Order: sequence, then C-alpha cells, then structure tokens
Amino acid sequence: AQKVTQAQTEISVVEKEDVTLDCVYETRDTTYYLFWYKQPPSGELVFLIRRNSFDEQNEISGRYSWNFQKSTSSFNFTITASQVVDSAVYFCALSEASQGAQKLVFGQGTRLTINP
Amino acid sequence: NAGVTQTPKFQVLKTGQSMTLQCAQDMNHEYMSWYRQDPGMGLRLIHYSVGAGITDQGEVPNGYNVSRSTTEDFPLRLLSAAPSQTSVYFCASTALSGSSYNEQFFGPGTRLTVL
Repeated sequence: AQKVTQAQTEISVVEKEDVTLDCVYETRDTTYYLFWYKQPPSGELVFLIRRNSFDEQNEISGRYSWNFQKSTSSFNFTITASQVVDSAVYFCALSEASQGAQKLVFGQGTRLTINP
Repeated sequence: NAGVTQTPKFQVLKTGQSMTLQCAQDMNHEYMSWYRQDPGMGLRLIHYSVGAGITDQGEVPNGYNVSRSTTEDFPLRLLSAAPSQTSVYFCASTALSGSSYNEQFFGPGTRLTVL
C-alpha cells in the first residue's frame, strides 16, 4: 500500500537559516510520482514540484531544492536562506501509475514557521 | 483562465441537512477530484472522475455523492450532513495528457462546519 510520512510535524527557525523538510514514501510500484505542495496561511494549495520515479536528478528552483533518493525512498525539500514568506504548511504527496497517476496520497504535512 | 473555482467558501450546516459543494474548471481537464483536509491528516481523496459520465470512489467516499455531467463541473453532494464531515474540502483538476500531465490544480477550498 502506498504511504507518505512526514515525520516533522512542526519546524521553527529564524529567518535566513536553511531548513530541510523530510518526506519518506512507501510504494510497490516502479512507476510513481512525487509532489510537494505549499499551503500558506490563506489556505490555498500551491504546487511546487512533480517528480517521476525515473528521474532521480535533484532539482533547484531559486531558494528551493529537492533531493530524491530512491535508495532510501525519500524526497526531501530544502529551503535555503529562509524568509518569513516561506511560513506555511508543506505537504509531500505520492501517486502510483497502477492506481491512477492522478490519485494523490498525502503526508500529514509539516508546519514551517520562519521567525524574523 | 479562472482555473479551478469552488463555491461556497464557507458553509455552516445542521446535522441532517443536505447541500452541494460546487466545483468548476475552465482548463478542459479530463480528471477532477475531491479531497477533504482534516487537522493532522493531510488531504484524503473522496471521489474522482476521469471524464464526463465516469466517477469512482476514493479513500473516504462514505456520506458523499458525485456526478459528472460535463467536463467543466464536478459537484460534491452531502445528502445528510454529519459532524464528522466538518472539514475543508478541495476540488482539483488535472490534464491526462500534454505538458501539464498529472499536475493537479487545486481550487481555493470550502470550509464546512456541521453542527
């Protein structure tokens, strides 16, 4: 069965610190997709990244970077030089090709607070 | 493009009342779905549809009905609301092909309270 675990319920750091959000997943499929979403205090869900299981290249987008490691079933998210605007709940999600690649299973979320 | 729209944004119901949460998208996406978000549990899939006339159950379908008569609309019906259905509901749509394949676009959410 597919499962996503975000063990960090809450993280609090001071502005400009780097912070890594952990995501560990379980799946039996060889073809699957991993996602990160941001939910700011306003409540909407903002898509950050999609990665398929055949693409293990790390990705960097500005201050955001993602580390995908199939060997440890992890898809961690790092924010460099954090800013107050990064304060939000972050969700990692998984979908499996065999179950319908659009059916997302979400982790519990990590609440990130960036203090000025 | 308006993207995915949901109405209402807030709703308070009494136990036993019925209502329909509306969801519409203007991106011509084939796939639409409903999730509920409860504290500490992330989002869970309620129902989904791969096209007009086709719907199926997700992880937590009990107490909810859906239909898909057009590509654009995917309403979620609560026939007899229960306090356990107090939650934030998100509608999402995604393309099944093309450059946006599998990128889920979420609506702004509906916050429902059942008393």
